[in-house]
Amino acid sequence: GIQVEQSPPDLILQEGANSTLRCNFSDSVNNLQWFHQNPWGQLINLFYIPSGTKQNGRLSATTVATERYSLLYISSSQTTDSGVYFCAVERRETSGSRLTFGEGTQLTVNP
Amino acid sequence: DTGVSQDPRHKITKRGQNVTFRCDPISEHNRLYWYRQTLGQGPEFLTYFQNEAQLEKSRLLSDRFSAERPKGSFSTLEIQRTEQGDSAMYLCASSPRVLIYEQYFGPGTRLTVT
Repeated sequence: GIQVEQSPPDLILQEGANSTLRCNFSDSVNNLQWFHQNPWGQLINLFYIPSGTKQNGRLSATTVATERYSLLYISSSQTTDSGVYFCAVERRETSGSRLTFGEGTQLTVNP
Repeated sequence: DTGVSQDPRHKITKRGQNVTFRCDPISEHNRLYWYRQTLGQGPEFLTYFQNEAQLEKSRLLSDRFSAERPKGSFSTLEIQRTEQGDSAMYLCASSPRVLIYEQYFGPGTRLTVT
């Protein structure tokens, strides 16, 4: 199956700092999503981004499908950004099928 | 649009008992997915439905697990003869009937088997 690797596994920032989270995947994809998991376990959709660049407020994401990686940028981080960030992909050969998740990046933003 | 809902949110059961979870997808989403997440890991796929048809099952879905979506709306996941290793967060997601299969997740059901 497809492999998804996220880095770094843990990240500690001071409020106001910027950060970049990376997701590498081992095969061609037709779906790539970034999620933020809050302390109660809810997965919040951040981006649906199988290719290209998107921005939403302080967050932006870029996927370079030909090189099999995606980046999530968080600018001017806030304590509420803390939590686990997951990248998840679906293989190109399927459509509307399973997502394969990475192991996540645990982000802690200190005041 | 009220989002994906799951019930119950928490379940504590004794080993050997049966449990059933329910998931209500976003209205008119024709695909529904079940995932399981253990502590410190990313969610792992269990199974998914397109309307009432179960199209794929993971090897994680042992014979003790069964999922249904009888009328293509809500879905149930049943675990028979629960074991301590079944303790996990069970997540449900749905996606719309369009080319963009973005999945939206519910709040999950946290199962503890004692």
